[in-house]
Amino acid sequence: QQQVKQSPQSLIVQKGGISIINCAYENTAFDYFPWYQQFPGKGPALLIAIRPDVSEKKEGRFTISFNKSAKQFSLHIMDSQPGDSATYFCAASRNYGGATNKLIFGTGTLLAVQP
Amino acid sequence: DTEVTQTPKHLVMGMTNKKSLKCEQHMGHRAMYWYKQKAKKPPELMFVYSYEKLSINESVPSRFSPECPNSSLLNLHLHALQPEDSALYLCASSPQLNTEAFFGQGTRLTVV
Repeated sequence: QQQVKQSPQSLIVQKGGISIINCAYENTAFDYFPWYQQFPGKGPALLIAIRPDVSEKKEGRFTISFNKSAKQFSLHIMDSQPGDSATYFCAASRNYGGATNKLIFGTGTLLAVQP
Repeated sequence: DTEVTQTPKHLVMGMTNKKSLKCEQHMGHRAMYWYKQKAKKPPELMFVYSYEKLSINESVPSRFSPECPNSSLLNLHLHALQPEDSALYLCASSPQLNTEAFFGQGTRLTVV
């Protein structure tokens, strides 16, 4: 119930193509779904996030699609660039009261964008 | 300023040493977190502090001891670690009544 399943494990995309990463969750108490980008040796950086009352959110080349009934969400990276090559983590969170939230990460997707 | 600063960036320690990791944020966030990340794995939650009080301990061994001296600082005291504790230790913070978590760059810990 606490897991977030992420696929694919790795992804190779040509420059200019669309990268798609999928995640699924079980716990309907989750109410916040962020995506993080992590470069080797660095901490995860927040990319974009969505809440269950919205089906899609777009920021620049990054779009989250959210399907509440299917308990699935996905990240689309349009016009993928070599600089997008990194590990991407989806995550799910629920608030435990006050300012506490517990972020559960997916297993990660290693994206390689070929020039 | 959305920066979470962690020091040191790298740390090598022996199994009998005592060391501390430090994390600082000046965004006024009232929740701070320690995560542990092994190579090619996602971050795993260790501790959560809310309003400077420990609110979640994910059954972390007592050789890891967190401390929150004030709302801007978070420490992780290390003692008698094992080689399998070698990992990237990440600090994060999030605002009150919000859930965006901002991560620091991490401390790369090697236990020898």
